[in-house]
Amino acid sequence: GENVEQHPSTLSVQEGDSAVIKCTYSDSASNYFPWYKQELGKGPQLIIDIRSNVGEKKDQRIAVTLNKTAKHFSLHITETQPEDSAVYFCAASIRAAGNKLTFGGGTRVLVKP
Amino acid sequence: NAGVMQNPRHLVRRRGQEARLRCSPMKGHSHVYWYRQLPEEGLKFMVYLQKENIIDESGMPKERFSAEFPKEGPSILRIQQVVRGDSAAYFCASSRIGQGDQPQHFGDGTRLSIL
Repeated sequence: GENVEQHPSTLSVQEGDSAVIKCTYSDSASNYFPWYKQELGKGPQLIIDIRSNVGEKKDQRIAVTLNKTAKHFSLHITETQPEDSAVYFCAASIRAAGNKLTFGGGTRVLVKP
Repeated sequence: NAGVMQNPRHLVRRRGQEARLRCSPMKGHSHVYWYRQLPEEGLKFMVYLQKENIIDESGMPKERFSAEFPKEGPSILRIQQVVRGDSAAYFCASSRIGQGDQPQHFGDGTRLSIL
């Protein structure tokens, strides 16, 4: 089945700097890649997603890039703010296999003021 | 609140008891997914249901775990004869369409503790 690896597991950045989280996936049939932000005691919140027919997507300070050949995708957060501190998860799914999401292990991001 | 609603938020059970976790999907969503999250780990898929149908239960343990999504009412994840290893956060998600490229929106989970 699909396997998603996520790096780094922890990331500490200074407020205003950029943060980058990288994920790799194993199944070339994966075609949907969402990113979730999870705050303490809360459920994962969808922050951005990308489909395999697109190489890059941006939403304000958040962007995601996808390299299908290398089977990796990345989350970029620019101008980080303290409220960006959370655990971020990448995930992947295969359209033909229903809507089952396979998650990476998560990245704990700490933005220092 | 039109989001995914889960209850209870916290559930404490003794070993051998039964746990019932409930999930009401977002309005207009008829596809429900259950995931389990162990401390400091990512979420693991358990089961995918539509109204009155189990579509994919490949992530469900073979014994003690069951799920349903009746025609009326919330989806239920049921764990019989709970053991310490069942302690985890259980999250429900819903989507409007059940294709593999549709956004899933999550509830805030049920944190199950086994004494």
